[in-house]
Amino acid sequence: DAGVTQSPTHLIKTRGQQVTLRCSPKSGHDTVSWYQQALGQGPQFIFQYYEEEERQRGNFPDRFSGHQFPNYSSELNVNALLLGDSALYLCASAVRELDEQYFGPGTRLTVT
Amino acid sequence: AQKVTQAQTEISVVEKEDVTLDCVYETRDTTYYLFWYKQPPSGELVFLIRRNSFDEQNEISGRYSWNFQKSTSSFNFTITASQVVDSAVYFCALKNRGFQKLVFGTGTRLLVSP
Repeated sequence: DAGVTQSPTHLIKTRGQQVTLRCSPKSGHDTVSWYQQALGQGPQFIFQYYEEEERQRGNFPDRFSGHQFPNYSSELNVNALLLGDSALYLCASAVRELDEQYFGPGTRLTVT
Repeated sequence: AQKVTQAQTEISVVEKEDVTLDCVYETRDTTYYLFWYKQPPSGELVFLIRRNSFDEQNEISGRYSWNFQKSTSSFNFTITASQVVDSAVYFCALKNRGFQKLVFGTGTRLLVSP
């Protein structure tokens, strides 16, 4: 049973560019959440997707957007990258009615 | 507002010592859930335990035990007879009922030396 997978593992981008990160949830899970983890900090909630709609959003600007596909996989898009967007981006999946979220290995984004 | 505080930034112990990681939370909700996650150097967050606000029974799982006290808004985590493989960053997190958003503390880095 595959767990949560994310791609790519690492990414280097230049300021002003756009990036797309991908996540496949654990088998049987229908909800995907995205978190940003800056170095030395705890993960910060970006948003959550369920039934292909954004259901809850954290305190992140509109430059951060997402999408969920019919197979429950999800993408995180970040436009107009800033140096401060450099972080580990974590995807978590869950079954809607349950409370335990399972995390993927993350994508390390470096903005230069 | 929700908040999780992990006052211990880093703890260093020698193998076989017991260690307790502290977690204090704030929430206005009466129904909530508390979690502990482990983050090894690989970066992936590993789920350890979930506790419901209406269940204050302490739990033991092998070398791990958790002490949940609503009166002091604390959810502490104890590792008995620590091992080198326990070295990681440990996060305490809080979630309200009906929402998926997890609010994390800043984490405690545990270093276990041989």
